[in-house]
Amino acid sequence: DIQMTQSPSSLSASVGDRVTITCRASQSIGYYLNWYQQKAGKAPKLLIYDASNLQSGVPSRFSGSGSGTDFTLTVTSLQPEDVATYFCQQSYSVVYTFGQGTKLEIK
Amino acid sequence: QVQLVESGGGVVQPGKSLRLSCAASGFSFSNYGMHWVRQAPGKGLEWVANIWSTGKNQYYADSVKGRFSISRDNSRSTLFLQMNTLSAEDTAIYYCARESSGTTVSFDFWGIGTQVTVSS
Repeated sequence: DIQMTQSPSSLSASVGDRVTITCRASQSIGYYLNWYQQKAGKAPKLLIYDASNLQSGVPSRFSGSGSGTDFTLTVTSLQPEDVATYFCQQSYSVVYTFGQGTKLEIK
Repeated sequence: QVQLVESGGGVVQPGKSLRLSCAASGFSFSNYGMHWVRQAPGKGLEWVANIWSTGKNQYYADSVKGRFSISRDNSRSTLFLQMNTLSAEDTAIYYCARESSGTTVSFDFWGIGTQVTVSS
């Protein structure tokens, strides 16, 4: 199975900050990478698909980039409602593995 | 609007079985692949299984292969997960998720989840 490794595991930043989360795949996965946001007690929500495409209705302060093995999720101008855990997920192989998650908090 | 509502969770003894359901509405269910994803307490997300829109093909995570079975009834817009020989490691919130209609696989809508607890 393809292993997905996120860093950092947790992150604290101030409102208005630019935040970057990285995701590394154990083998090349092209652009087959998605990002999800999960708020406490809620189901995950799709943010970014195919590495860089913003899902409908998601604020434009979220963006994704990367290809191959290294990917990033960026939040420009962090907002209080962005407090959540973020997961990457590969769709290159049929066992659709997720990263372990990055917990984002506000300072 | 798209809605996915899971049911069938509960407390079950090790070695027993449970059947989860996911009722879909607000979209043409028979046109979409569907998935089950679970989340153990305080842990990350684990993909469990998926089934094609036609029901023809199913795929499973190694951790559940041979014990779990995914199926669907397109006439009732319902997805199922039959879980047999349950163990404590299967304790989790189980989510059903719709596969997006794009060229790659992402999960664009999720249910609220149903809790499965395996305990004696």
